[in-house]
Amino acid sequence: GQSLEQPSEVTAVEGAIVQINCTYQTSGFYGLSWYQQHDGGAPTFLSYNGLDGLEETGRFSSFLSRSDSYGYLLLQELQMKDSASYFCAVHSGGYQKVTFGTGTKLQVIP
Amino acid sequence: GAGVSQTPSNKVTEKGKYVELRCDPISGHTALYWYRQSLGQGPEFLIYFQGTGAADDSGLPNDRFFAVRPEGSVSTLKIQRTERGDSAVYLCASSKQGPDTQYFGPGTRLTVL
Repeated sequence: GQSLEQPSEVTAVEGAIVQINCTYQTSGFYGLSWYQQHDGGAPTFLSYNGLDGLEETGRFSSFLSRSDSYGYLLLQELQMKDSASYFCAVHSGGYQKVTFGTGTKLQVIP
Repeated sequence: GAGVSQTPSNKVTEKGKYVELRCDPISGHTALYWYRQSLGQGPEFLIYFQGTGAADDSGLPNDRFFAVRPEGSVSTLKIQRTERGDSAVYLCASSKQGPDTQYFGPGTRLTVL
C-alpha cells in the first residue's frame, strides 16, 4: 500500500518563506504532486515532480528525492491568500493511481 | 473555458437509498477520476477512467459503488444501499491524458441520514 506523512499544521508570517515536507512509502512510485485547497473549495494543482530535483513555478517550488522518498513544497513571499491546506500526492501502480496525504493546514499571519 | 462541473452540489438521502452523482469533465479531457473526501482528510482515490473504460477501480470500497462513462465524457458514480459512512464530499477530476495535472470539480456533498 501507500502511506504519506506531512505535518498537520504550519503557521508562517506574511512575506516569509515556508517549507512543507512530505515523506512517502509506496511501491511502483512514479511521481509526486502538490495541490492547494481552500476551505470549502476544490483542490487545485500546484506542481508535479517526476524526476529528482527542483521545479519552480512563480512563488512556488517543489522538490523530490526518490532515494530518500521525500519531497517538499516551498512557498515564498507568503501572502494571506496562501492560507489553505496543501496536499502531497504520490502517483503509483502504473502512474494513474494517485494517493493523497492528509494535508498540511497553512495559516499565514500578518 | 468551462471547468469540471458536478451535479448535484448537495445531496441528502436516507440510509438504504440509491444515489447517482454526475461529473462533466473539461471538453477533450480523456482521463477522469473520482475521489471522496471526508472532513480533515485528503481526497481518497475511488476510480480512474481513460476514455470509456475503467482503467483502475481499485479504490471503490465495495460492490455498492459503481461508476460509468459510456461515451468517454460525462461520468456517473452510483451508490446503492447508501450507508451513513458514505457521507462525504465526492470529487471528480479530469486531465488531458494522465494524472499529473488534474482539474477538480467543486464536488458533491453527500449526506446519508
